Amino acid sequence: KNQVEQSPQSLIILEGKNCTLQCNYTVSPFSNLRWYKQDTGRGPVSLTIMTFSENTKSNGRYTATLDADTKQSSLHITASQLSDSASYICVVSAGSSGSARQLTFGSGTQLTVLP
Amino acid sequence: SQTIHQWPATLVQPVGSPLSLECTVEGTSNPNLYWYRQAAGRGLQLLFYSVGIGQISSEVPQNLSASRPQDRQFILSSKKLLLSDSGFYLCAWSDDNRIWPQHFGDGTRLSIL
Repeated sequence: KNQVEQSPQSLIILEGKNCTLQCNYTVSPFSNLRWYKQDTGRGPVSLTIMTFSENTKSNGRYTATLDADTKQSSLHITASQLSDSASYICVVSAGSSGSARQLTFGSGTQLTVLP
Repeated sequence: SQTIHQWPATLVQPVGSPLSLECTVEGTSNPNLYWYRQAAGRGLQLLFYSVGIGQISSEVPQNLSASRPQDRQFILSSKKLLLSDSGFYLCAWSDDNRIWPQHFGDGTRLSIL
């Protein structure tokens, strides 16, 4: 069964600090992986998408890494801001036939940034 | 630019009552449309997706149904709500031939009493 596990479940940091969120997956065959940011009461917004051949991808203060051998991804946030407080969701796609049912969603990491 | 509208934002319904949630997309044509449900502490669960008018794929057996009467309109319905239908419902769309929901609506918080 395809699964995506995220850790920690929740995280509290002070403004200006860095943090790293983890995503472990058991999805086969792996196609690609995406990180979303979801503000409270809103829909998720895509941050990055990574394919099998990519190890690192950045989007401003967000940097995602992917290790396809260990089936792990991380999302690193640099110099956190209050607006970074949100749930961060890891989503993994299996196979290549292009069906929406191939997506497996993690339950998210709830990040709180305090002043 | 493309926008997605979902309403209502919140809804409180008694058990056994009907449901109709509406989602519309602007600024694109022939999008793939999705309905997801998000339970507390759980990942998003795909309920329905549609690649065209009248074409609905159902992912889980449940008390809900979906319809796509127009190209950019997607409706989630139920004839009789159950307590287990409570949750956060999200509509999303993507360009043709892409499976990733690229853009999500702001969701409907549904509470069943």
